[in-house]
Amino acid sequence: EDQVTQSPEALRLQEGESSSLNCSYTVSGLRGLFWYRQDPGKGPEFLFTLYSAGEEKEKERLKATLTKKESFLHITAPKPEDSATYLCAVQAGGSNYKLTFGKGTLLTVNP
Amino acid sequence: DAGITQSPRHKVTETGTPVTLRCHQTENHRYMYWYRQDPGHGLRLIHYSYGVKDTDKGEVSDGYSVSRSKTEDFLLTLESATSSQTSVYFCAIGADRAEANYGYTFGSGTRLTVV
Repeated sequence: EDQVTQSPEALRLQEGESSSLNCSYTVSGLRGLFWYRQDPGKGPEFLFTLYSAGEEKEKERLKATLTKKESFLHITAPKPEDSATYLCAVQAGGSNYKLTFGKGTLLTVNP
Repeated sequence: DAGITQSPRHKVTETGTPVTLRCHQTENHRYMYWYRQDPGHGLRLIHYSYGVKDTDKGEVSDGYSVSRSKTEDFLLTLESATSSQTSVYFCAIGADRAEANYGYTFGSGTRLTVV
């Protein structure tokens, strides 16, 4: 059974204080690992897809990295508008493209 | 979100009544999914569809049924609503082409309260 564990559950940062969110996973035959952002009252919004260990992707203040067992979402010099819940999900090969999600990390960035 | 809409956005219903939630897409995607999101549990898959009239169960399918008679519509029915089905329900459409693997595009969600 595919499993995704995200830590911490909640993280509070000051504006400009860089940090990382963790996503550890077990999956049979990783097809892709996904990061989403979710704002209150809205559906998750796609951020990144990572396919293989060693891969990195960046978007503005966010950088996602992948190893064989975990992924990190690094947030550099965050701003209050980065406050959201960040979700990690894995997709196994042959799974009819189903995603298994972690419970998310609630990030709050204070001005 | 553009291309996928859910209705209704909010609904309050009584225990024991049937409820149907609708997901409509204009992207012609083959794959569609229904998830529920609850505090402490995250997003959990209820049912999914891989084509017209082709559906399968997810991890929390008890008490739910689905139907897909057209590519663009995927209906989720709570056969007899219970308080444990109070949740936020998300529909998603999936990219089924390797070169466009962004996972899902999600709808805006339906907040269902069973009283």
